[in-house]
Amino acid sequence: QKEVEQNSGPLSVPEGAIASLNCTYSDRVSQSFFWYRQYSGKSPELIMSIYSNGDKEDGRFTAQLNKASQYVSLLIRDSQPSDSATYLCAGFYNQGGKLIFGQGTELSVKP
Amino acid sequence: DGGITQSPKYLFRKEGQNVTLSCEQNLNHDAMYWYRQDPGQGLRLIYYSQIVNDFQKGDIAEGYSVSREKKESFPLTVTSAQKNPTAFYLCASSPTLGEAFFGQGTRLTVV
Repeated sequence: QKEVEQNSGPLSVPEGAIASLNCTYSDRVSQSFFWYRQYSGKSPELIMSIYSNGDKEDGRFTAQLNKASQYVSLLIRDSQPSDSATYLCAGFYNQGGKLIFGQGTELSVKP
Repeated sequence: DGGITQSPKYLFRKEGQNVTLSCEQNLNHDAMYWYRQDPGQGLRLIYYSQIVNDFQKGDIAEGYSVSREKKESFPLTVTSAQKNPTAFYLCASSPTLGEAFFGQGTRLTVV
């Protein structure tokens, strides 16, 4: 199992719908999870961080962490065409400060 | 203006040449990272450093070298031993186990 794993997609949703992005992680990764958005040709931009079990909301974005099931998800409400990008999940190793990324999920929001 | 600066934005390397990519941050972050991204792929960790004068290999360190002589700076050298260096290189910094922020990236091409 990869340390941090994402479905590469592409995920296509209509404008105004909820986009759901998922990420699973191994036993070696268990601290401080992050979601990044990356537009084509650009560097990743931090959207959300989540450190404890439960939900964290910020505007149209909600991050969910479930440590028992070892998954992190990102929900985007009222999806807009400008949300079309690749979304990267990241987490720290249990020890040593190594920050590992999943392979990313491509999201396409259709007008 | 606080942030992370990578230079150059574009870099061309001849066969057998060593090249150095610059990464500077003024966010007072302890940790710094180098990632490589190939087209359609996620981020792969090359090297990371949690403190000045200390750094660790990531998952794909062969053919690369780094130094961390100052807190603000974490240059990456792509050596001639790296046989396929064409990629997008991303530098990031973070507080220890905290949110990482990226520079604009350097596109390296072998000519």
